[in-house]
Amino acid sequence: AQSVTQLGSHVSVSEGALVLLRCNYSSSVPPYLFWYVQYPNQGLQLLLKYTTGATLVKGINGFEAEFKKSETSFHLTKPSAHMSDAAEYFCAVSDGPEKLTFGTGTRLTIIP
Amino acid sequence: GAVVSQHPSRVICKSGTSVKIECRSLDFQATTMFWYRQFPKQSLMLMATSNEGSKATYEQGVEKDKFLINHASLTLSTLTVTSAHPEDSSFYICSAPDGSTYGYTFGSGTRLTVV
Repeated sequence: AQSVTQLGSHVSVSEGALVLLRCNYSSSVPPYLFWYVQYPNQGLQLLLKYTTGATLVKGINGFEAEFKKSETSFHLTKPSAHMSDAAEYFCAVSDGPEKLTFGTGTRLTIIP
Repeated sequence: GAVVSQHPSRVICKSGTSVKIECRSLDFQATTMFWYRQFPKQSLMLMATSNEGSKATYEQGVEKDKFLINHASLTLSTLTVTSAHPEDSSFYICSAPDGSTYGYTFGSGTRLTVV
């Protein structure tokens, strides 16, 4: 069975500051890892994904994440927060081309 | 890119009535569609997986007779909430593989309110 733990249901950062959203996973097989963003009353938009290859993955809107197998982590970062980054962020894991298992989400608030 | 169009975006219905939610793949063929449910301030929980031309596979604890899923064509999957009750009020989202490596595209969601 696979699972995802997102540490911190709410994260607040100042505009221009570093964004760090934490995600740890549990999987019995090499995982495929994803970060999605959700704006209010909308579906999910893919920020980035790790399948194979380079462990540092760059996504849209300046976000990136690093797959660390030894730490079973896939934390999401952005060097400089923007007001438009305020949203709900979900980490997800998949062990194949089927269903995703989502974390409980982290609500990111940007302080002007 | 692959787009899934989900309708309606919002619906309010009375207890005991049925509501149909549609998800259409606009520029690709979706042989598989995943249906999720999201309660306020919570994560997405997979309800069922539909495959074109065959019966849907429901997750444990999901009532198949209450949440009817039809995937009659490669571009349309529907979820019908039958005999809706207030506890069925939730945000429902569909998703389909988009053809990229382990890639999925999501519909914009349907906010169902049962009164």
